Amino acid sequence: EIVLTQSPGTLSLSPGERATLSCRASQSVSRNYLGWYQQKPGQAPRLLIYGASSRPTGIPDRFSGSGSGTDFTLTISRLEPEDFAVYFCQQYSSSPLTFGGGTKVEIK
Amino acid sequence: QVQLVQSGAEVKKPGASVQVSCKASGYTFTTYYIHWVRQAPGQGLEWMGKINPSDGSTTYTEKLQGRVTMTRDTSTSTVYMELSNLRSDDTAFYYCARGPAYSSFSLWGQGTLVTVSS
Repeated sequence: EIVLTQSPGTLSLSPGERATLSCRASQSVSRNYLGWYQQKPGQAPRLLIYGASSRPTGIPDRFSGSGSGTDFTLTISRLEPEDFAVYFCQQYSSSPLTFGGGTKVEIK
Repeated sequence: QVQLVQSGAEVKKPGASVQVSCKASGYTFTTYYIHWVRQAPGQGLEWMGKINPSDGSTTYTEKLQGRVTMTRDTSTSTVYMELSNLRSDDTAFYYCARGPAYSSFSLWGQGTLVTVSS
């Protein structure tokens, strides 16, 4: 099973600042099958990034993903008020599919 | 529109079983797998398994093997997830999500809260 470790656990930032979230895998994620989600209270997760760096239609370009192998990053270039939420990474290269523990981005 | 609609909240006693449904609409039901993901309150996401609506084949996570069963009804485009021998740590939101066999999930159900309490 691929274990995903996200850091930091909590990120305290102000609107307009840049957020950098990390996701490290216990073994290589093949074909860059790594996704990122945003989740707000009472809502289902929302897919932000798939394939490590691709954005689904409708996701703002302030969200970007990078990385390969075991180290991946989600960057939010300038935080908007609606971006304060919890973010999860997910690998889907091997079964069982697994998620990281999450990073909470909170208002400083 | 393309959507997954789940059944309502459930309250069960320890040792009981629960069945949660996920009705698909707006697309060809047999084209995509349905995955189940759960989330204990305030916790992270846990993948439970998947079903291929085309042939009914299933894959379950080892942790839940023997307690979870996923089935489908192609006549109503509905997938069912049954979890048996419920324990207090099964209290969670249960989500269905659409995707290929190995996939990220761009389409989710609204979630179903299952509470296990004596």
